[in-house]
Amino acid sequence: DSGVTQTPKHLITATGQRVTLRCSPRSGDLSVYWYQQSLDQGLQFLIQYYNGEERAKGNILERFSAQQFPDLHSELNLSSLELGDSALYFCASSVNRDNYNSPLHFGNGTRLTVT
Amino acid sequence: GENVEQHPSTLSVQEGDSAVIKCTYSDSASNYFPWYKQELGKRPQLIIDIRSNVGEKKDQRIAVTLNKTAKHFSLHITETQPEDSAVYFCAASLRRQGGSEKLVFGKGTKLTVNP
Repeated sequence: DSGVTQTPKHLITATGQRVTLRCSPRSGDLSVYWYQQSLDQGLQFLIQYYNGEERAKGNILERFSAQQFPDLHSELNLSSLELGDSALYFCASSVNRDNYNSPLHFGNGTRLTVT
Repeated sequence: GENVEQHPSTLSVQEGDSAVIKCTYSDSASNYFPWYKQELGKRPQLIIDIRSNVGEKKDQRIAVTLNKTAKHFSLHITETQPEDSAVYFCAASLRRQGGSEKLVFGKGTKLTVNP
């Protein structure tokens, strides 16, 4: 168990709908990262938050948004869903203190199916 | 931005043989290079990482080498076992001041170890 908790595990919804994915980082980790993994695709970086503030952005669509709350949990909001948004969404966390890279620890993911 | 190329995309070896996976990165300022193993339907798990001030690192049957001049790094698995079968991802990142860290992944190598 990585200590990173993601809910829900599975989500099935229709095109045009909006969903929220939730992530609780490991205790003590300040950074949260969101990744998208489509079928036969690698891990696409979406966004990073550090201690409540956005710190780095990847190829995140404008229909997607995220935030990190004061208790350090994070939510990824996906709106106007399209079939192509069907994927496994991973959250990861790291200590990320000082100027020292620390390993990312991944949650078990949320599998989103858009029908 | 950073781009990571990974080769080969698939690799099949006989049990007991060695496996080598190679990655190149584009941003010469990247300073952290982890490797993750992802079994089918599971989360990526860190297996080894290397920082830019080190040329080689070993952990039992796995080793990683880094050539900063050529901007490439490799994963070596010796005495492969069937349980090594998985998708392996390399990644590169640069930790910037203020907590910004974008970890960019390669597209993955599907390793199959045949008994």
